[in-house]
Amino acid sequence: EAGVVQSPRYKIIEKKQPVAFWCNPISGHNTLYWYLQNLGQGPELLIRYENEEAVDDSQLPKDRFSAERLKGVDSTLKIQPAELGDSAVYLCASSLGEGVEDNEQFFGPGTRLTVL
Amino acid sequence: SQQGEEDPQALSIQEGENATMNCSYKTSINNLQWYRQNSGRGLVHLILIRSNEREKHSGRLRVTLDTSKKSSSLLITASRAADTASYFCATDFGGYSTLTFGKGTMLLVSP
Repeated sequence: EAGVVQSPRYKIIEKKQPVAFWCNPISGHNTLYWYLQNLGQGPELLIRYENEEAVDDSQLPKDRFSAERLKGVDSTLKIQPAELGDSAVYLCASSLGEGVEDNEQFFGPGTRLTVL
Repeated sequence: SQQGEEDPQALSIQEGENATMNCSYKTSINNLQWYRQNSGRGLVHLILIRSNEREKHSGRLRVTLDTSKKSSSLLITASRAADTASYFCATDFGGYSTLTFGKGTMLLVSP
């Protein structure tokens, strides 16, 4: 069974440019998460989807970040415009969904963003 | 904000030795999970312990949970070079299935 797929794996852009990350969760997983991981830190949640609904986006900087999960499957995270401080690894994860005991999250390999 | 705090921040041992990492958290949890992250790769789930459990084993891993002290420990026995990675504890408050990760412990196992 394929795991969580993310692309691209690496992205280098200049500041003020837009950038988009794509995630394909594990088939059948209703919950999708986007995390931000800075160097030497643990992942921090940006947004969580239950199917196509964003149920927790309280940590998403909405002035420059946006996300969507059309049809409740794939998801895209966008930054426009990117700033130097956005350089980090962006992780996508998925899980079966609410109501599942021991709701284990499965992570993708991440996209490493470098903003110059 | 990150609830879990791992200790130590870094740990260097020889192959065959045991490695112990600790995690402290601040508020009541539903369960606590440990993840491993190899350099340049995503996180891999290792083990989950529920708030009503005190100890759990999985292969060479042993996890303990003390809810009165709000702390957990991860023990890796007979370590191998392949265990070299960062280890994160993550707390689950329940209900909304959102994990809160600590800053991690970097483990280096030398041959």
